[in-house]
Amino acid sequence: EVQLLDSGGGLAQPGESLRLSCAASGFSFSIYAMAWVRQAPEKGLEWVSTVTGSGGGFNTFYADSVKGRFTISRDNSKNTLYLQMNSLRAEDTAVYFCAKAAGGRIQLWHFDYWGLGTLVTVSS
Amino acid sequence: QSALTQPASVSGSPGQSITISCTGTSSDIGSYNLVSWYQQHPGKAPKVMIYEGSKRPSGVSNRFSGSNSGNTASLTISGLQAEDEGDYYCCLYAGSSSFWVFGGGTKLTVL
Repeated sequence: EVQLLDSGGGLAQPGESLRLSCAASGFSFSIYAMAWVRQAPEKGLEWVSTVTGSGGGFNTFYADSVKGRFTISRDNSKNTLYLQMNSLRAEDTAVYFCAKAAGGRIQLWHFDYWGLGTLVTVSS
Repeated sequence: QSALTQPASVSGSPGQSITISCTGTSSDIGSYNLVSWYQQHPGKAPKVMIYEGSKRPSGVSNRFSGSNSGNTASLTISGLQAEDEGDYYCCLYAGSSSFWVFGGGTKLTVL
């Protein structure tokens, strides 16, 4: 059974950093692209970042809203996905979901499994 | 930058059919029927209901179907049930400038 357990959220002040983790199990983690998707309070889903799997050379992609501040990474030996969030802003307040990507070529990818989400609150 | 437009809300009575639209451009939805659709209940994680425009994951009811026409993708739910109530989002890979884009979401109310 595929499981994604995201953690690491909490309260941070503007300008501070947080690191989110997503522990994966039930599938060959290194093969698949993984992503972070966030949802601000009472708002819709927003894609944040993706790291490809072994076939894609572990390339990384970012939304413009987080580029240069957030870094996605993965430790395939620990089956864990990370999101290092620096220079946090109030507008980064959201529930952050990790998600597993599925599909063939990148244009076909969809997110077939999701974590339960971890809440990040940025406030002074 | 790509943007996907969805109606803010739709509603229907049990047993009826409803359709949720997701409008893009000729460069994305108009060229490829590659939209995925996600259902989200309050306080829960999203769940994929349709991928690659019209494919249904194992375990998803065949009451859910996806299609597209021109620049608009659609999610149709037939035989509406109370458990279908929730938020629905379309999503598309929009290329190397925007990567993945979600629609604004549609709140489905079962009357």
